[in-house]
Amino acid sequence: AQSVTQPDIHITVSEGASLELRCNYSYGATPYLFWYVQSPGQGLQLLLKYFSGDTLVQGIKGFEAEFKRSQSSFNLRKPSVHWSDAAEYFCAVGGTSYDKVIFGPGTSLSVIP
Amino acid sequence: GAGVSQSPSNKVTEKGKDVELRCDPISGHTALYWYRQRLGQGLEFLIYFQGNSAPDKSGLPSDRFSAERTGESVSTLTIQRTQQEDSAVYLCASSLVSQGVEQYFGPGTRLTVT
Repeated sequence: AQSVTQPDIHITVSEGASLELRCNYSYGATPYLFWYVQSPGQGLQLLLKYFSGDTLVQGIKGFEAEFKRSQSSFNLRKPSVHWSDAAEYFCAVGGTSYDKVIFGPGTSLSVIP
Repeated sequence: GAGVSQSPSNKVTEKGKDVELRCDPISGHTALYWYRQRLGQGLEFLIYFQGNSAPDKSGLPSDRFSAERTGESVSTLTIQRTQQEDSAVYLCASSLVSQGVEQYFGPGTRLTVT
């Protein structure tokens, strides 16, 4: 069965510092992987997605993520965090067949000025 | 174009009452999902419709929950005999197919059971 874990429930970083949010997945075939962001009071917005090809994918707002099949991971990174990045981040996995998309529990990011 | 819409945006109901939540997906989207998000929690998968296939109901928490979808259009999520633990934001999302295509989320319906 599909599953997604995000080991960090909450992370606090200083503005301008680098960020890495961890995501590990379990899926029996080649996964499709996503990162979504949910800002306070806002809906979910897609940051980036991985289907195939280059394992380093670029997204919106300066985010990137790297797919590592050997580690079953899809960690999200940003070199310099802005205060407006404070939000909830969700990793999600879907399959190449008509499988449902499953979300991880989320990581809450706080940014210190 | 129009995004995913959900109605009502807010619903307050008394314990034991039935509620119906509506989702209008993006036109042409064959896949439709319902999720539940309790306060401060992640997204809990409830049910998934894909075209004319039988829906995946594996996430429905109890038989008080049910959902229907008319063709590839509107979906309704029904909660019977609501309980206080049903209080949450119910999110609907649609996508063209489930194969790695991003989901577009609606604004959600905030359900409060008193």
